[in-house]
Amino acid sequence: GQNIDQPTEMTATEGAIVQINCTYQTSGFNGLFWYQQHAGEAPTFLSYNVLDGLEEKGRFSSFLSRSKGYSYLLLKELQMKDSASYLCAVRRGGGGNKLTFGTGTQLKVEL
Amino acid sequence: EPEVTQTPSHQVTQMGQEVILRCVPISNHLYFYWYRQILGQKVEFLVSFYNNEISEKSEIFDDQFSVERPDGSNFTLKIRSTKLEDSAMYFCASSSGQGLVSGANVLTFGAGSRLTVL
Repeated sequence: GQNIDQPTEMTATEGAIVQINCTYQTSGFNGLFWYQQHAGEAPTFLSYNVLDGLEEKGRFSSFLSRSKGYSYLLLKELQMKDSASYLCAVRRGGGGNKLTFGTGTQLKVEL
Repeated sequence: EPEVTQTPSHQVTQMGQEVILRCVPISNHLYFYWYRQILGQKVEFLVSFYNNEISEKSEIFDDQFSVERPDGSNFTLKIRSTKLEDSAMYFCASSSGQGLVSGANVLTFGAGSRLTVL
């Protein structure tokens, strides 16, 4: 089976940097995704890692260490609109594109 | 930007009734999915669909659930006899591929259909 852990809640200040961690255990690994979800809305894709290292996309970066079963999402220059839930999702190997989601980290950005 | 569209946005039904949730995936996508999210809980996989057949399903997707691609554009989820515990937001998603190539395997989600079973 798969087990994905993320902190439930985080609070950060506008303009700051925040790091949201995700640890996972899976039988086979075929990629890790980060999605953003505002309340009552659909998850929207942020980033994808399948190899170790850092992927940077503007204000958002994601890091993966497969040997440690660990990823983080880094958000820079926080804006109020970044207040949302951030979902870590793992894709298992063996074909298919099924994602297993963590419970999400609710980020609150304050002034 | 291409999007996945879902209808209805909200449906209220009585327990035991049949419900059909509709989705129009992105037009050049080949892989289709249904996920659900019970209020306050995590997003859960239900089923994936490719080449007119189910490629994978979860334990949630029992005999009460079915999916269909009745024409070249729609992808539907049917719940035959709804239960109270089926109340959730149902998300349709699609992707152009499922390999390791970045972009092709990214799931694009629709805005969801909120199902309330009374």
